[in-house]
Amino acid sequence: DTAVSQTPKYLVTQMGNDKSIKCEQNLGHDTMYWYKQDSKKFLKIMFSYNNKELIINETVPNRFSPKSPDKAHLNLHINSLELGDSAVYFCASSQDTLAVNEQFFGPGTRLTVL
Amino acid sequence: DAKTTQPTSMDCAEGRAANLPCNHSTISGNEYVYWYRQIHSQGPQYIIHGLKNNETNEMASLIITEDRKSSTLILPHATLRDTAVYYCIVRVVDDYKLSFGAGTTVTVRA
Repeated sequence: DTAVSQTPKYLVTQMGNDKSIKCEQNLGHDTMYWYKQDSKKFLKIMFSYNNKELIINETVPNRFSPKSPDKAHLNLHINSLELGDSAVYFCASSQDTLAVNEQFFGPGTRLTVL
Repeated sequence: DAKTTQPTSMDCAEGRAANLPCNHSTISGNEYVYWYRQIHSQGPQYIIHGLKNNETNEMASLIITEDRKSSTLILPHATLRDTAVYYCIVRVVDDYKLSFGAGTTVTVRA
């Protein structure tokens, strides 16, 4: 199936650990995104890459580091996890057409930091 | 920093049209109106977008007022599967960023 996929779906870890979330899209899109949805359900953009180049970097702690090895992948690495990092993280992708910018979202990764 | 105002929640009857209002009184000429929805525990899903003309696709219709200060998303025949949070978003034409607000929680009842 053509889609945006994320692994893992659930991630439970201890404070202070380092973890990564992976995202892959097989839609042939040029732009990929990471969003965070907190417990109050607000969805906020964190990063965006266009053709492996960082184009959006919101006010996010530098413990969060996105990495795009190629156009189809955008991974999110988080160092020194904190309780406040608990959230659902969504990856998305879109074709490089700003006139439309229809974003396709993955199923989310629920991160719980204990 | 969402630029839209939506009702917190609304109910609608299955099989009837659902009309979801959105106020975006400070919209600029280079900003689109987008609608996304998020069904429980899933990622958001694109519905429709428009600049100034009304738009229709297989999912919904978007009616934008002439002054562009408000819009209405119409789900023509709501089903139970349309129960979701619906987000009205204003996006600058040359910006990749979507800024989601609180949205409207729509509950479709049998």
